[in-house]
Amino acid sequence: AQSVTQLGSHVSVSEGALVLLRCNYSSSVPPYLFWYVQYPNQGLQLLLKYTSAATLVKGINGFEAEFKKSETSFHLTKPSAHMSDAAEYFCAVRGSNYKLTFGKGTLLTVNP
Amino acid sequence: DADVTQTPRNRITKTGKRIMLECSQTKGHDRMYWYRQDPGLGLRLIYYSFDVKDINKGEISDGYSVSRQAQAKFSLSLESAIPNQTALYFCATRAAGTSGGNTGELFFGEGSRLTVL
Repeated sequence: AQSVTQLGSHVSVSEGALVLLRCNYSSSVPPYLFWYVQYPNQGLQLLLKYTSAATLVKGINGFEAEFKKSETSFHLTKPSAHMSDAAEYFCAVRGSNYKLTFGKGTLLTVNP
Repeated sequence: DADVTQTPRNRITKTGKRIMLECSQTKGHDRMYWYRQDPGLGLRLIYYSFDVKDINKGEISDGYSVSRQAQAKFSLSLESAIPNQTALYFCATRAAGTSGGNTGELFFGEGSRLTVL
């Protein structure tokens, strides 16, 4: 079985500050991991994905995530937050039959 | 036009009414999914379909039914809506198998917000 834990349901940063959104996973098979972003009144959009190639994955809008097997983590970072990054972020792990299990989400607020 | 289209985008209904949420896609994907999103709970899988003849229950299927009318269409029904089914519902699709580097990425519609009074 697979599960995802996102630490912190709400993260608040200042514009220009580092963004760090935490995700830990549990998987009975080698994991494929995803980060999705949901802007207000929109569906989920893929930010990036880990597929057992490079452990440091770069995504859209300057985001990146590092897969750490020893820590069962896949944290999302961005060096400098922008107001347009305000959104809800979901981490997900792929399980059997390609089903995705999602975390509960982290709402990112960016303060001017 | 969006690749995954959901209708209606917003719906307010009363307890006991039958509601259908529709999803259509132009991505040519075989796999289609219905998720429910509630604040603080993330996304939970209601039903999924691998093709027209293959429909499976997800983790929270009670109170819901689905119909896969065609490869491109997957509808979610609430036979008798109740207030705790008030939520944001998402349809998603993905390609089958591992060809073309498919990694199981889901493609989402923009959601259908349902309020049951």
